[in-house]
Amino acid sequence: GQQLNQSPQSMFIQEGEDVSMNCTSSSIFNTWLWYKQDPGEGPVLLIALYKAGELTSNGRLTAQFGITRKDSFLNISASIPSDVGIYFCAGMEYGNKLVFGAGTILRVKS
Amino acid sequence: EAQVTQNPRYLITVTGKKLTVTCSQNMNHEYMSWYRQDPGLGLRQIYYSMNVEVTDKGDVPEGYKVSRKEKRNFPLILESPSPNQTSLYFCASSLRGPNEKLFFGSGTQLSVL
Repeated sequence: GQQLNQSPQSMFIQEGEDVSMNCTSSSIFNTWLWYKQDPGEGPVLLIALYKAGELTSNGRLTAQFGITRKDSFLNISASIPSDVGIYFCAGMEYGNKLVFGAGTILRVKS
Repeated sequence: EAQVTQNPRYLITVTGKKLTVTCSQNMNHEYMSWYRQDPGLGLRQIYYSMNVEVTDKGDVPEGYKVSRKEKRNFPLILESPSPNQTSLYFCASSLRGPNEKLFFGSGTQLSVL
């Protein structure tokens, strides 16, 4: 099936740092979604993107729908400890199949 | 409270013993789906349903069955579980389709011995 490449696979953050992650696809998508999963819980939607070039913010989070329709980026500014978790991108082609990336694990630098 | 409820939360079983994981939502959502989560592989879709009596295969449907007889319920059935189905399973629902906000259940950790 369709695959998304999400990077980085994991990263360590120090409080106050900015964080960036991205997803790329070999196909064109018409929707990009970003979810966050806390330990022991199901994923929760952070941001939804529906148009190429769209830039959307949700508090300290900003995500963009790439112009080529084959990529998306998520940035977290001024990270805080509760930002740790697993971040998933998800994309949808025309039709009804949603595909998830493998996830980016955010950990706190000690 | 609006929610997706999965049961059980944890399940240990043996190879070949049929099992059902239940999923129920109280938001009158049309779209429901099942995913499995494995380390390094993210969430992979097993089956989805756009509405009552309408179900379709996702990316990894082999060894699973589903049914959607009522709008609120979408059970996942493993007729003859095998060890490679050991995984964390999530049910999710949204109002109309997967491009809208998905509400996820809390997950079912399944171990097949």
